[in-house]
Amino acid sequence: DAGITQSPRHKVTETGTPVTLRCHQTENHRYMYWYRQDPGHGLRLIHYSYGVKDTDKGEVSDGYSVSRSKTEDFLLTLESATSSQTSVYFCAIGSDFWDRYGYTFGSGTRLTVV
Amino acid sequence: DQQVKQNSPSLSVQEGRISILNCDYTNSMFDYFLWYKKYPAEGPTFLISISSIKDKNEDGRFTVFLNKSAKHLSLHIVPSQPGDSAVYFCGSSNTGKLIFGQGTTLQVKP
Repeated sequence: DAGITQSPRHKVTETGTPVTLRCHQTENHRYMYWYRQDPGHGLRLIHYSYGVKDTDKGEVSDGYSVSRSKTEDFLLTLESATSSQTSVYFCAIGSDFWDRYGYTFGSGTRLTVV
Repeated sequence: DQQVKQNSPSLSVQEGRISILNCDYTNSMFDYFLWYKKYPAEGPTFLISISSIKDKNEDGRFTVFLNKSAKHLSLHIVPSQPGDSAVYFCGSSNTGKLIFGQGTTLQVKP
């Protein structure tokens, strides 16, 4: 979807290094989310944001931090990457009408920690 | 503790028949329920939603049923088409953040 982009699309990193994934939106939506997708676990919420500088933890937040200094950008940082954080990461955005129209997801970032 | 469960990892149906995907939840405070479809190497896309004050919502070939007493919802696709082959996720929310199930892979055979 053109209104939301994730970067990078693919990344390979070494254990112990910090990694930052970026989510950028052009829809001016208030809500932004980070999920990870793993086999057998589906989509699990990592962190979410209800507005600039307003963030909170999700189901699997350990080892991750986020920042939202502008409406359009939501950054996910793996403070010290571990192999268990190898996953596909999805960002999502939601308007005030998300309950009727759902979130819009990005295309994902495939992260491999070696 | 998984609050949203999709107990069937996979489902196979014949083209033209009905596909029924199921989802169970444990949190009685959930007030919105959404279904998403996901193709490989793409992000999930929104299909249909239902609020807890309703028991049915339709959109074309897709109908979602909600049984609050059983904490169960289902997605019916009629008629199923080969292009419906994908992973389907149900999501539930009570505070504006969606909690998803593990997903069900639907295969529609021509």
